[in-house]
Amino acid sequence: DTEVTQTPKHLVMGMTNKKSLKCEQHMGHRAMYWYKQKAKKPPELMFVYSYEKLSINESVPSRFSPECPNSSLLNLHLHALQPEDSALYLCASSHGSSYNSPLHFGNGTRLTVT
Amino acid sequence: GESVGLHLPTLSVQEGDNSIINCAYSNSASDYFIWYKQESGKGPQFIIDIRSNMDKRQGQRVTVLLNKTVKHLSLQIAATQPGDSAVYFCADPDPRDDKIIFGKGTRLHILP
Repeated sequence: DTEVTQTPKHLVMGMTNKKSLKCEQHMGHRAMYWYKQKAKKPPELMFVYSYEKLSINESVPSRFSPECPNSSLLNLHLHALQPEDSALYLCASSHGSSYNSPLHFGNGTRLTVT
Repeated sequence: GESVGLHLPTLSVQEGDNSIINCAYSNSASDYFIWYKQESGKGPQFIIDIRSNMDKRQGQRVTVLLNKTVKHLSLQIAATQPGDSAVYFCADPDPRDDKIIFGKGTRLHILP
């Protein structure tokens, strides 16, 4: 079992829906990440939070809105998504900078946009 | 890193044999490298890492080799088991920021 917990495991939503993905870690890690992974592709970075502040936004469309309520929680709010946004959304955390410590991933949320 | 790639997309290995998965990087400033394993339906799992002041690092049944001269990284898995079946990614954190860029991945297929 992973120490990074993501909910829900699966999500199906229509293009007009609003939903949120949740991520939680209790390892005391100070950096948290959202990645998007399409089938047979490597994970692609979306957002990085460092000490609860957004430090990197990889030019992600505004229909994806991240939130870090505290050092243990990371949310991804979804609104007006497109079918091509269907993917596996992975959350990760690291003790410090990813340059110095490996990422710990959750098992992801499988999102289908209809 | 600027570019992290893998030489082979798929590797088939007989159970019990050793597996070698290769990775090339292009950023000569890179000095930290990580291998991840991703099983079907799961997130990537950290396997082993290595810093550029080392040429080799060993874990349990896994060894990572780093050749800085040719910017090449390899993951060796000893006595490959069915549970080793997964996609393996190398990753190369950019020292200028907090980004980790993953290589394309190699699927390891275990033959009975």
